[in-house]
Amino acid sequence: DGGITQSPKYLFRKEGQNVTLSCEQNLNHDAMYWYRQDPGQGLRLIYYSQIVNDFQKGDIAEGYSVSREKKESFPLTVTSAQKNPTAFYLCASKDGSSYNSPLHFGNGTRLTVT
Amino acid sequence: RKEVEQDPGPFNVPEGATVAFNCTYSNSASQSFFWYRQDCRKEPKLLMSVYSSGNEDGRFTAQLNRASQYISLLIRDSKLSDSATYLCVVNLGTTDSWGKLQFGAGTQVVVTP
Repeated sequence: DGGITQSPKYLFRKEGQNVTLSCEQNLNHDAMYWYRQDPGQGLRLIYYSQIVNDFQKGDIAEGYSVSREKKESFPLTVTSAQKNPTAFYLCASKDGSSYNSPLHFGNGTRLTVT
Repeated sequence: RKEVEQDPGPFNVPEGATVAFNCTYSNSASQSFFWYRQDCRKEPKLLMSVYSSGNEDGRFTAQLNRASQYISLLIRDSKLSDSATYLCVVNLGTTDSWGKLQFGAGTQVVVTP
């Protein structure tokens, strides 16, 4: 079955450590996204990529980095520069054939930094 | 003013009743609209796209009102399993808007026995 896989589901890290969240999709989608969700808030865009080897900052990119070396993969690194990294992180992808196609989400990674 | 606004609720609905709620958007150039369902601590899942003529999927009906810039979702014959947060998503849909999907904060619906 086609879909988006995020791993791990839960991640615990000490403050000051970088951590990388995995996102893989086999939907053959061109566009991939990373969002952050905090309790009671809407999703906020961290980074997005429309094509391999290219990505753009979203609304809250500070303290995060991404790469897009393969169409299927869009890992997110949460660096020690991110002031408040504890959150629910969602990866999504979108069919590039239509600007109006919907987003498909992975099952999320819940990151806790102490 | 937020670009996409939703009443956070909760909307407490007796089982079998009908509930409806809206989502307003500020950008008149918005071209596509979606309703997602999100269960507690899970990822959002696409419920339905919203088309200009309105559309229905079983017990769910979505409407778009471009003049007043809002979309609506109506749930008929509510089931306990309909309890969730419903997210409104608006897409500008222009060539430079791949990152411009705007999310509402969600409307919580609680269906009670």
